[in-house]
Amino acid sequence: RKEVEQDPGPFNVPEGATVAFNCTYSNSASQSFFWYRQDCRKEPKLLMSVYSSGNEDGRFTAQLNRASQYISLLIRDSKLSDSATYLCVVTTDSWGKLQFGAGTQVVVTP
Amino acid sequence: EAQVTQNPRYLITVTGKKLTVTCSQNMNHEYMSWYRQDPGLGLRQIYYSMNVEVTDKGDVPEGYKVSRKEKRNFPLILESPSPNQTSLYFCASSPAVRSYNEQFFGPGTRLTVL
Repeated sequence: RKEVEQDPGPFNVPEGATVAFNCTYSNSASQSFFWYRQDCRKEPKLLMSVYSSGNEDGRFTAQLNRASQYISLLIRDSKLSDSATYLCVVTTDSWGKLQFGAGTQVVVTP
Repeated sequence: EAQVTQNPRYLITVTGKKLTVTCSQNMNHEYMSWYRQDPGLGLRQIYYSMNVEVTDKGDVPEGYKVSRKEKRNFPLILESPSPNQTSLYFCASSPAVRSYNEQFFGPGTRLTVL
């Protein structure tokens, strides 16, 4: 079983709609959680960190559920420019090892 | 401009021919790491380095070597490349050893081993 799993999608979303997707992790000792965005095989870029209490950055909301071992990302009022692959990243220790999910593809359509 | 650079960006080579992919960052970051990305598998960590002369294996280190002689450079060496090392490779750096810091990625190196 992979340590970090994501639904690969694609999630086809009409412009202006809301889309949400999850990422599950297997190691209960995981410490830090992030969402990265990757455009068409370009380099990943940090979208947002995920905090225990949940956090919001504009139209993006991230949640952490430690009991069920998943994090979520919600995108409100989707824009065409939100079309990308969203990578879930989990760290299991503080000393450098990161685990990436395979990514969830989001396609926003006019 | 703060950045991570990788060279070459594209490389086609043959089995067994040693190659080096360079990675350099100008942000004085302590932490650097190499990943490979394959369809359906996501990014997998090959090696990472917490500082000069300190390196450690990630999840898929077999067939790769690294060195960290200077803070800014972290080359990835394939001593005897094989076709299963055909992949998209990313180098990344981060301000400190704590893995909860943001990773800054280079533009990627697309390697094909024939």
